[in-house]
Amino acid sequence: AQKITQTQPGMFVQEKEAVTLDCTYDTSDQSYGLFWYKQPSSGEMIFLIYQGSYDEQNATEGRYSLNFQKARKSANLVISASQLGDSAMYFCAMRERWDYGQNFVFGPGTRLSVLP
Amino acid sequence: GAVVSQHPSWVICKSGTSVKIECRSLDFQATTMFWYRQFPKQSLMLMATSNEGSKATYEQGVEKDKFLINHASLTLSTLTVTSAHPEDSSFYICSVRRAEDSPLHFGNGTRLTVT
Repeated sequence: AQKITQTQPGMFVQEKEAVTLDCTYDTSDQSYGLFWYKQPSSGEMIFLIYQGSYDEQNATEGRYSLNFQKARKSANLVISASQLGDSAMYFCAMRERWDYGQNFVFGPGTRLSVLP
Repeated sequence: GAVVSQHPSWVICKSGTSVKIECRSLDFQATTMFWYRQFPKQSLMLMATSNEGSKATYEQGVEKDKFLINHASLTLSTLTVTSAHPEDSSFYICSVRRAEDSPLHFGNGTRLTVT
């Protein structure tokens, strides 16, 4: 079963508008972490934002915020005031316990295109 | 600034040859490094966990003898793709993390093309 689900293969947003990228996850762990990464066409993976499972408040980092709904097991990324440079692939990831420590599991990604 | 340096950024090699990819942790000592592979239009898949001073831990389905990992120091891990074939063409990217609950920091990746 897929641990991380991103149901939107592609999204379009108008420049300066806000956009929400969906992410749902599956885990039986009580302690876990959720992350969002941005991958531009150059290939690098850029860390954007983190939410711990015990954090009561939604994480925010500049124009990025994470809408964390624990009961629904969702961790949606909200990008406010979209910019052309936000066009990229976005991956949701979860840190979970592994047999030999902890591991990150990545979702399939959402390609965001910001329109001028 | 950059936390991880990966080299080379891209490489083209002939089928049957071996290719070495280096991953360096720049500003802290990393006892563990992670190697991922990403096929076009797909997500990242963990290949192996590189452990300083001991054997790497490979994920199911990843051939140990084909993807040799050496973590000889606290700042350097290498991935060698041995006897490369066209199906090994992919984007390989390494990562480190400062602590158990820290995010992964990635290198810029290596795009391997085997002809």
